[in-house]
This record gives sequence, C-alpha cells and structure tokens, in this order.
Amino acid sequence: AQSVTQLDSQVPVFEEAPVELRCNYSSSVSVYLFWYVQYPNQGLQLLLKYLSGSTLVESINGFEAEFNKSQTSFHLRKPSVHISDTAEYFCAVRNSGGGADGLTFGKGTHLIIQP
Amino acid sequence: ETGVTQSPTHLIKTRGQQVTLRCSSQSGHNTVSWYQQALGQGPQFIFQYYREEENGRGNFPPRFSGLQFPNYSSELNVNALELDDSALYLCASSWGSEDTQYFGPGTRLTVL
Repeated sequence: AQSVTQLDSQVPVFEEAPVELRCNYSSSVSVYLFWYVQYPNQGLQLLLKYLSGSTLVESINGFEAEFNKSQTSFHLRKPSVHISDTAEYFCAVRNSGGGADGLTFGKGTHLIIQP
Repeated sequence: ETGVTQSPTHLIKTRGQQVTLRCSSQSGHNTVSWYQQALGQGPQFIFQYYREEENGRGNFPPRFSGLQFPNYSSELNVNALELDDSALYLCASSWGSEDTQYFGPGTRLTVL
C-alpha cells in the first residue's frame, strides 16, 4: 500500500516570489511520481512526472520537482510565481512494478498567489 | 487529438437512486480509470478498465460498477446512492494500465 502526504493545505505567496510545495510518500515498492494541477471547476492536468533517470524533472511552465529517494520526497518548486499559477496542486504516486492499482493522491495544496 | 470528455457536467440525484456517468477516452488510449474526489480531498481510485474488463479496483463497494465498450469509452454506475457519494467523479485514460493518465473535466454529482 502507498500513501502521499502533502504537508501544507494552503500556501500563500506573493507574485514573482519563489514557492515550494512539499510532498512526501510512503511505499513498500518502487514508485512513479506525479504532480497534477487543478484549476477551479476543472479536472486534473498533468504538470510533470518522474519515471526514471534524472531525479530533477521540469515542466514547460517553469515548475520543477526533484525526486529524493532517501527522504521519500518529491517537492515541487517554481522560482517566480504568477497570478495564473493560483490552483490546487496534487502529488500522486503509482506502483512502478506494473499492475492496475491506480494513482494514490495526496489531499492537495492550494497555492494562493497574492498581488 | 481529442482529449478525455465526460458527461454530464453536473447531476443531482436523491438518496437511493441509481446514476450512470460517461467517459470518452483520449484518442489512441485503451485504458480508463475512474476516481472519486470528495470536496477538499484528493481523488480516490475506484477502478480501472482495460480492453473491456475490470483489471484493478480500489476500496469501493460493489454498488460502484462499470463498463468499457469496444471503442474504449466507459460508464460508471452507482446504485443505491448515499449522501456521501456526492463528489466530483473523474475519468482518466491511458495507453495501458502503466502509462501516464490524462484526466477529463469531471462530473459533479450531488446526492440529496
């Protein structure tokens, strides 16, 4: 079984400031890691993912996340946020060994960008 | 390339009724997964369909059931609705059960 903990339910940040959204996971097997973003009244959009290889992964809109196996973390960072980044962010894991057990999500972090 | 679509957008039912939600997978995808997202929570995995068969299930009772059709579209059926079934129901499609999942906009179900 796996679990995901997103340590902050809300993170208020001023526009153009850096931000880090924290994600820790627990699993007895190797996992793939994902960050999804959800804008108000919409579904989830894939932001970035770690499957293998370089532990630092980047998205096209300036976010990055680093897989730290020893700390079982996959924190999301952005050096300078914009008002349009206001959304709910979900960290998720999935068993990398195959199978159809779906994604396990954290409870989400609401990123609030203040002008 | 067509993304994942879901219908209806919103639905209101009363306790004890039955409901059917629909999902069309992204072009080229053969696997559909369903999730329930309660207010203020992350999505929870209900089940997954691959080539018209259920091949994985989360911790949901049997009154949650589904179908997948030859064109890979899918239905989620919920019988004997309870108040706690009120949630956003999300469908995600992928190429195989191990590929990255892409989500639809969801169906908001309210049970009164």
